[in-house]
Order: sequence, then structure tokens, then C-alpha cells
Amino acid sequence: DIQMTQSPSSLSASVGDRVTITCQASQDIRSYLHWYQQKPGQAPNLLIYDAFNLETGVPSRFSGSGSGTDFTFTITSLQPEDIATYYCQQYDDFPWTFGQGTKVEIK
Amino acid sequence: EVQVVQSGAEVKKPGESLRISCKGSGYTFTNYWIHWVRQMPGKGLEWMGRIDPSDSYTKYSPSFQGHVTISVDRSISTAYLHWSSLKASDTAMYYCARQSRSSSWYLDYWGQGALVTVSS
Repeated sequence: DIQMTQSPSSLSASVGDRVTITCQASQDIRSYLHWYQQKPGQAPNLLIYDAFNLETGVPSRFSGSGSGTDFTFTITSLQPEDIATYYCQQYDDFPWTFGQGTKVEIK
Repeated sequence: EVQVVQSGAEVKKPGESLRISCKGSGYTFTNYWIHWVRQMPGKGLEWMGRIDPSDSYTKYSPSFQGHVTISVDRSISTAYLHWSSLKASDTAMYYCARQSRSSSWYLDYWGQGALVTVSS
């Protein structure tokens, strides 16, 4: 299985801060990576697909970059409604695998 | 409007069988694969497997192969996740989700989740 390693596992930042999450794959997954947001008590929701494409309706403060094994997810200006856990997920090979998640909190 | 609606919470005993459901509406059910994802209490997301509703072709994660069965009933646009003998370790939230038809295989519509509790 392809292992997806996210860091950090949690972070606390102030409203307006720039937040960066990294995701490293155990092998080359090209750009076959998505980012999901899961708010407490809710199902996950797609934010970024294929490493850097913003899903329709998702605020532009969210962005993604990277290819191969190293990927980055950024919130340029953290908002209170961004409190959630964020997951990367690869689909280069089965079984699909998720990172362990990054819990984002407001300081 | 596309909707993916799951069956409700279940409380079962170890060794019992269970089938939970996932109904798609507002789209052509057979055109979109359905995936199942597990989330154990306080933990992350785990991909379990998927099914092509048009032909019932399934693909499982090795971690779940042989312990669960994914199926569909095309006549009622519903996918299922079935256990023949539950374990306490199956206690989790289970999500189904629709895979987009684009070449980017993302999960675009998710069910609300079904909480399964297995306890003696």
C-alpha cells in the first residue's frame, strides 16, 4: 500500500494566519492526490483535486501544490469556519489511502 | 439535486450480521461508482472498497477483503455494505460516497454516515 504521511497532526493558528499542511507519499503518485475537509460531526468534503485544482464553490483561500511524493495544502488566511480536520488522499494505486489527518484549531 | 442518503445508526452484538445501505438520487445511479470509507472513533479515514453499480464489479482494500461485502440493487439505486459476523472492532462511522465521472477520481458526494456500534 502507498503510505501517506501528513504533518503536522494538529496545529493552532490565529484568524488571518497562513496555514500550511504537508503530505508525503511513500512512492511517486504523480498528481493523483486530493484534499478533503472534515468538520466535526460531518462527512468529508472535497476541497482540492489532482493536487492543485480548486473544487467548484471552494473559497480561493484554499490551495494545493506539489507532485510526485511531496504535496502542500495552504489556507492563506485562516477563518473561524475553517476549523476542521484535513486529509490528503492518493488514488494512484489501490487501495486508495488517506493521510492520518491534520486537525486545525483557532488559537 | 444529487443526494446520497445512508441508513441509520445500528447497535449490534458481536457475531451478528448487518447490512447498511446507501441510496443515490438525482443522478443516473449506474453511471457512478460508489465507495465505502470507515472512520473509527476519533480516528482518520480508511478506504474500504468500491463497486461499479452498472455491473457490480467490486474492488476491496486488502484490509477489508473477506470481512465485508459490497453490493448493489440497481432497481432501487442502492448500494450496501454487509457483515456476516460483526466484531467489536467494527464499531465505527461508515460513509459511502459517489466517485466523480471525471478523469480525476475524487469523491464528490458523500452520505451523512452510518454509525455502527458493536457491543455485547
